[in-house]
Formats: sequence, C-alpha cells, structure tokens
Amino acid sequence: AQSVTQPDIHITVSEGASLELRCNYSYGATPYLFWYVQSPGQGLQLLLKYFSGDTLVQGIKGFEAEFKRSQSSFNLRKPSVHWSDAAEYFCAVAPDYKLSFGAGTTVTVRA
Amino acid sequence: EAGVVQSPRYKIIEKKQPVAFWCNPISGHNTLYWYLQNLGQGPELLIRYENEEAVDDSQLPKDRFSAERLKGVDSTLKIQPAELGDSAVYLCASSGRGSSYNEQFFGPGTRLTVL
Repeated sequence: AQSVTQPDIHITVSEGASLELRCNYSYGATPYLFWYVQSPGQGLQLLLKYFSGDTLVQGIKGFEAEFKRSQSSFNLRKPSVHWSDAAEYFCAVAPDYKLSFGAGTTVTVRA
Repeated sequence: EAGVVQSPRYKIIEKKQPVAFWCNPISGHNTLYWYLQNLGQGPELLIRYENEEAVDDSQLPKDRFSAERLKGVDSTLKIQPAELGDSAVYLCASSGRGSSYNEQFFGPGTRLTVL
C-alpha cells in the first residue's frame, strides 16, 4: 500500500523568506502526486500536481514542486512567503482515484 | 462556477445522538467522495460514489455510518449513534470525467463535535 510522509509537523518562517516543505512517498511505481493547502475553516485547495513529464511543476500562488524519483520525494517550495501563506499543507499520492494524504505540515508566518 | 457545498458547517451533538451531513457537488461531476479528517491528520476516504452507486465503501464503518446519493447528485452522510471519537471534520469532494486522473475538488467541510 502506498504511504506519504511529511517529516515536518510545524514550520515557522519569516515573511519574505523562502519555504520548503518535504514530502516522501512509498509506492511501487510513480503515482500521481499532489500538494493541497488548507486554510483555517476552509476546504482543501489544490496547489499543483505531477502526473508525468517535466519534474519541476509550477502551481498557483507562486508555489512549485520538484519530483525526484531517486529519492521518492515531491518537495514544495516558494521563494518568498507572504503572511497569507500561513496554513496547513498536505502532500498526497494517488495511483488511481484514491488519494492518500500525509499528516500535513502547519506553516506559521512571522512578521 | 459554484464549488462543492456542504452543510452544516458546524455541528455539536451529544453522544448517542444521530447526525447527518449534506453535500452538493459541482454541477456535472459524477463522482462524489466523503472523507474523514481527524485533528492533525490528513483526510481519509470513507466512501466513493460513481453516480448513484457506492463503488468503494471499504473504509466506511457500516455499524454506525451510512451514506446515500439517491439521484446521483447530492449526498448525505449519516452517523447513528454518534460516539465521542467521531469528532472530526467531514469533507466532501467531487470530480468529473475526462482525464486519466480526475482532479478532486473539496468542500469546506463539516466540523462535528460530539460531547
């Protein structure tokens, strides 16, 4: 069965600083890979997805993610964080329709 | 385009009471999902519908949980009786046809508190 690990439970970053969130997955083949963001009281919003092709994926809100097959990783990055990026971030994998989520990383942005 | 609608947004009940959650998916989306999200965890799939048919309910605790999607549009998830451990956020999502992977769009969720 596939699994997703997000090693960092909580990250605090200063506004304007760069952000990187880690995600590792365990699966026999390359699944579909996703990053979602959940703001307080909101549903999950898709930031970006990787199906195949270019391993550097651009998403919404200035986020990007890089797929590294050799490391089974799909890390999310943003060069300059805004206060509105404070939220919980979930990495997910899907070999088919069934999304399996990591436990999430909470991002706090300090002024 | 309207997103996935869920109601109520918040519900507080006492244990052993019944509770129901409603979901209206994005228009034209034939696939509907219910997820359970415990505090500090990612969502976990409870049930998936293709039109009216529940095609994957393997994770639904059938002793107390039930769901229906009678006309292949909106859906109701019910818990009877509720237990303290059912306190969580219940998310609904929907997806449409067409691609090799159908992107799931999530509603805001219903936060259930069982006292």
